[in-house]
Amino acid sequence: EDQVTQSPEALRLQEGESSSLNCSYTVSGLRGLFWYRQDPGKGPEFLFTLYSAGEEKEKERLKATLTKKESFLHITAPKPEDSATYLCAVQSNDYKLSFGAGTTVTVRA
Amino acid sequence: GAVVSQHPSWVICKSGTSVKIECRSLDFQATTMFWYRQFPKQSLMLMATSNEGSKATYEQGVEKDKFLINHASLTLSTLTVTSAHPEDSSFYICSARQFIRGELFFGEGSRLTVL
Repeated sequence: EDQVTQSPEALRLQEGESSSLNCSYTVSGLRGLFWYRQDPGKGPEFLFTLYSAGEEKEKERLKATLTKKESFLHITAPKPEDSATYLCAVQSNDYKLSFGAGTTVTVRA
Repeated sequence: GAVVSQHPSWVICKSGTSVKIECRSLDFQATTMFWYRQFPKQSLMLMATSNEGSKATYEQGVEKDKFLINHASLTLSTLTVTSAHPEDSSFYICSARQFIRGELFFGEGSRLTVL
């Protein structure tokens, strides 16, 4: 059974204080690892897809990296608008997504 | 990015009634759509996989007679919560898989409250 574990559960940052979120996973046949951002009462918003170990992707203040066992989402110099729950999911060969519980990030001005 | 539309975004109904939620991929064809359920402060739990033109595949523990799924076209899947009860109150989210690239995009979610 595919498993995804995200840490920490919650992260409180001061504006400008860079940090990283972790997503460790076990999956039978990784098709892709996805990062999503979810705001309260909204559906997840797609951020990145990573397909193979060593791959990196960036978008504004966010950078995602992937190894064979885990992925990191780095937030550089975060702003209050980066406050959200960040979800990690792995996609197996049958295209099903298994989600982690998420990391709720709060950035204080 | 690709757009997935869900309707309604929120619905309140009486116990015993049925509620239909629509999920549409607006700018791409989706051979597969997924339906998720999310409880407060918890992650998404996959309920079922909806394939265009065939029966949905339900995850273990999900009652297929309670949650009816129809994927009538490459751009539309519907979830009907039949004879809804208060314990069915939840946030329901659909996702659509883009046919060519295989990426998944989510709808905005539908909050169901059963009184």
